[in-house]
Amino acid sequence: EVQLVESGGGLVQPGGSLRLSCSASGFTFDEYAMHWVRQAPGEGLEWVSLISWNGGTIDYADSMKGRFTISRDNAKNSVYLQMNSLRTEDTALYYCVKEGVTGTRYFDLWGRGTLVIVSS
Amino acid sequence: DIQMTQSPSSLSASVGDRVTITCRASQSISTYLNWYQQKLGKAPKLLIYSASSLQSGVPSRFSGGGSGTDFTLTITSLQPEDFATYYCQQNYNAPRTFGQGTKVEIK
Repeated sequence: EVQLVESGGGLVQPGGSLRLSCSASGFTFDEYAMHWVRQAPGEGLEWVSLISWNGGTIDYADSMKGRFTISRDNAKNSVYLQMNSLRTEDTALYYCVKEGVTGTRYFDLWGRGTLVIVSS
Repeated sequence: DIQMTQSPSSLSASVGDRVTITCRASQSISTYLNWYQQKLGKAPKLLIYSASSLQSGVPSRFSGGGSGTDFTLTITSLQPEDFATYYCQQNYNAPRTFGQGTKVEIK
């Protein structure tokens, strides 16, 4: 089955850290760029980060630069998001997202998300 | 960053109605525009890519149009399963910004 499964969310205090993981199956993982997109409770979608198929291209939304680090392990069909210096405004459902074939730049597969709550 | 503005923010419609949602970009993005549908408690689903191309498996009552800065998503003959929130997204450049969403509710 083609799917993405996120894990690693939870409750963390402001200033704390979490590492999100996303496990992919059902497709050739190392051929696709991967993203993280988040959605605060009751709010819209916010793009977080991108990593290209080989990790050669990485990018972040401005508010995450310097705090979040995306990485991938193609041997394990997994992508990760290390989140440091967490703020209350980082509270959201974090989706792992697969990009379409090279050049398409659309998001054609989404996981169910993992919830991150930043609160004291 | 490119700002994406959707209108309306919400609308009420009946089954069988024709519905049009508009998305405006703060600068020209050619046809680098996608549309997603999100049902309550579910992950978003790709409907339309490159402004007007229908994603595989998406019903033909969904269509997209536009180029440059102005885009539309049209649903002809709204069905019960179409009540959801719809988001546009530009993929012209980073960051891949989304519109704020349009919630389609039952009248």
